[in-house]
Amino acid sequence: LAKTTQPISMDSYEGQEVNITCSHNNIATNDYITWYQQFPSQGPRFIIQGYKTKVTNEVASLFIPADRKSSTLSLPRVSLSDTAVYYCLVDVTGGGNKLTFGTGTQLKVEL
Amino acid sequence: DTGVSQDPRHKITKRGQNVTFRCDPISEHNRLYWYRQTLGQGPEFLTYFQNEAQLEKSRLLSDRFSAERPKGSFSTLEIQRTEQGDSAMYLCASSLSGAYNEQFFGPGTRLTVL
Repeated sequence: LAKTTQPISMDSYEGQEVNITCSHNNIATNDYITWYQQFPSQGPRFIIQGYKTKVTNEVASLFIPADRKSSTLSLPRVSLSDTAVYYCLVDVTGGGNKLTFGTGTQLKVEL
Repeated sequence: DTGVSQDPRHKITKRGQNVTFRCDPISEHNRLYWYRQTLGQGPEFLTYFQNEAQLEKSRLLSDRFSAERPKGSFSTLEIQRTEQGDSAMYLCASSLSGAYNEQFFGPGTRLTVL
């Protein structure tokens, strides 16, 4: 089972770019990397998913180096509303049938 | 609002009682998942359905837990003889079938066992 390691917490200020790195040394060839965001008392929300290189959507970018042993979620110009827990997931069940969450990274954004 | 609803949102029960939770997924989603989340931890996978078939169940799941999805639409999760350790947020998610499809989570049901 691929295991992910990410920082327990990060602090930032409004308007800054935040980069959260996740290590997944045992990633398998067919694994995708997915990031979810969770606010208190809510279910997780999908942010972005990628396999290699760079993926960008309207809320974030995901950078994946060639060896795919790590990935970095980049949040541009964060605001207070980005304060949440961010989970990095690497699926090994051959189809994304279940998600294996770790403890995530608690991001706190201040003024 | 993701389109996935759960009922009730909160449940307080006494130890030893049975409880049942309901999840209504996004209508066109044929996959439905149950997760459990305790304070400070990420969600833990419990089980998942494709249509009405329960395809996987966590080995960590006690026999006191059972889930159904009788018509491939809504699902219920029942916990029999609740214990204080069952206190948690129970999350439901749904997705389309296929590899690596985004899961849409409901708001969860918070269970407190006294």
